[in-house]
Amino acid sequence: VMTQSPATLSVSPGERATLSCRASHTISNNLAWYQQKPGQAPRLVIYGGSFRATSFPVRFSGSSSGTEFTLTISSLQSEDLAVYYCQQYNNWPPTFGQGTKVEIK
Amino acid sequence: EVQLVQSGAELKKPGESLKISCQGSGYNFNNHWIAWVRQMPGKGLEFMGIIYPADSDTRYSPSFEGQVTMSADKSLTTAYLQWTSLKASDTALYFCARGRNSIFDPTQYFDSWGQGTLVTVSS
Repeated sequence: VMTQSPATLSVSPGERATLSCRASHTISNNLAWYQQKPGQAPRLVIYGGSFRATSFPVRFSGSSSGTEFTLTISSLQSEDLAVYYCQQYNNWPPTFGQGTKVEIK
Repeated sequence: EVQLVQSGAELKKPGESLKISCQGSGYNFNNHWIAWVRQMPGKGLEFMGIIYPADSDTRYSPSFEGQVTMSADKSLTTAYLQWTSLKASDTALYFCARGRNSIFDPTQYFDSWGQGTLVTVSS
């Protein structure tokens, strides 16, 4: 089970956004993050826990400590408004967290 | 450019059958797993299952085993998701997505997504 927190995060433009994802079992670094903007398909942001996908700017970063994973947006921009999902791909079946909605304050 | 293009929205009645599609282009379709992901209205993402087009090896998430059938046509570079008897609870947006992990492991993450197919089941 993948547990994301918080459910909703309100951040002012230019401020740091920190999203968390906790795995109920060890998943090594087999963790991906996706961004889903309203009315759009998800897009891969991070894979392998910390590798940024092409097309995403450097303000997006991923990190981990044991079974705790973090997606950080260092300086939030208005276009980052979206729901962010984590997904583990270490154990079958792959599972998604319930999502964190990032709002612009 | 990698693209996954899905078939259009569907409005069906309970008990009807349905097959939706996902056509891949811009890459070797045979060499990547293709997954299907459900998103019910206002809800999160649910992994349904995955197929490897080269040999049609198919794995279903336990929650969806027996509820849907996945298939692929290599010659058309197209993957399919089908139902034999739809229920109102099948109303959702369905995405296909390309797997991006070892080809020997169906447990994938997904680097390209289709635009989604909205399936509405209502009497």
